[in-house]
Amino acid sequence: GENVEQHPSTLSVQEGDSAVIKCTYSDSASNYFPWYKQELGKRPQLIIDIRSNVGEKKDQRIAVTLNKTAKHFSLHITETQPEDSAVYFCAASKGSTGAQKLVFGQGTRLTINP
Amino acid sequence: DTAVSQTPKYLVTQMGNDKSIKCEQNLGHDTMYWYKQDSKKFLKIMFSYNNKELIINETVPNRFSPKSPDKAHLNLHINSLELGDSAVYFCASSQATGTQYFGPGTRLTVL
Repeated sequence: GENVEQHPSTLSVQEGDSAVIKCTYSDSASNYFPWYKQELGKRPQLIIDIRSNVGEKKDQRIAVTLNKTAKHFSLHITETQPEDSAVYFCAASKGSTGAQKLVFGQGTRLTINP
Repeated sequence: DTAVSQTPKYLVTQMGNDKSIKCEQNLGHDTMYWYKQDSKKFLKIMFSYNNKELIINETVPNRFSPKSPDKAHLNLHINSLELGDSAVYFCASSQATGTQYFGPGTRLTVL
């Protein structure tokens, strides 16, 4: 089955700097790659996603890149702010009839230092 | 206004007891999921229902039994609770293979 590895497990950056989180996946049939942000004690919330027919997607300060050949995808956050501090999860899925079986990475705890 | 809701938010119980967690979504989605998040924050899918039909059933002890009375509800019943069942359980919903929206979670503590 699918296996997703996420690095680093913790990341600390200065406010205003950029943060990059990387994930690799094992199943070349995976075609959907969402990123979720989870604040302490809260639910995971989708911040951006990408499908395999696209190499890059951007939404304001957040961007995701996908390299299908190497089977890895990355989250880029620019101009980081204190409210970006949270745990970030990548996931991969190849979908099935009627559902997405998301396989999550281990999470990255991002801390933005003021 | 809550899109995906779960009850209860906290559940503290003794080993060996049976408990249920309820989930409801008002997004009109046809697919619902249960995830378990352990103490190390690892998120793992347990089950998924599409239009009341079980379509994803991961390697989960058969003490866990999901039930979907209709498209908007997916409940999780757990028999003979064990210490290792302590975790946060999240319900989620999606429109088929679309974006999954998570509920607020239920923190289960087994003593």
